[in-house]
Amino acid sequence: TQLLEQSPQFLSIQEGENLTVYCNSSSVFSSLQWYRQEPGEGPVLLVTVVTGGEVKKLKRLTFQFGDARKDSSLHITAAQPGDTGLYLCAGPRMDTNAGKSTFGDGTTLTVKP
Amino acid sequence: NAGVTQTPKFQVLKTGQSMTLQCAQDMNHNSMYWYRQDPGMGLRLIYYSASEGTTDKGEVPNGYNVSRLNKREFSLRLESAAPSQTSVYFCASKRRPGQDSNEQFFGPGTRLTVL
Repeated sequence: TQLLEQSPQFLSIQEGENLTVYCNSSSVFSSLQWYRQEPGEGPVLLVTVVTGGEVKKLKRLTFQFGDARKDSSLHITAAQPGDTGLYLCAGPRMDTNAGKSTFGDGTTLTVKP
Repeated sequence: NAGVTQTPKFQVLKTGQSMTLQCAQDMNHNSMYWYRQDPGMGLRLIYYSASEGTTDKGEVPNGYNVSRLNKREFSLRLESAAPSQTSVYFCASKRRPGQDSNEQFFGPGTRLTVL
């Protein structure tokens, strides 16, 4: 059973296009983190969302946490080749030890010049 | 600050051999984690240590052991390697357990192949 489902699994777009990546669960999360991972490296944190309905912006990236804290989305405006990578959502479920995080399987994004 | 460091970066083992993956962090973080990452399967937690002196099993602990040597260091040991343990292993750390500080900092990974 996948506790955090990410979609799409793969996404290939042209530079300048917009895209949205989704992270969904039937469980409630106390917070959600979004990470980006480049080939051969470890994941790097992009943002944390904590409050239901929260929206955070990081330059061309917009992150939203669902009202019920069961889902999140990442929207990229005018994607650039430098956005290429694996995007992971993760977080501690409310019904488990707060010290552990559940990770989604990731969305692999390729932005072509 | 080096952040989270892992050694070795690459390793090839034969079935049945043993080895220890080393991890150290210099951020004075309390919690440390070991994950494995397989193609298309995201990150799966092997073991974690909420604080110095404590360790707990994650989702996939079978075939592994860990040691929290001190606050900085958290090692992962494979006693008898199997081909199913071929994977990329990541160590991570976090300031403290709790709902308001769940950001984890990851090392560069160890790429392990078991023949």
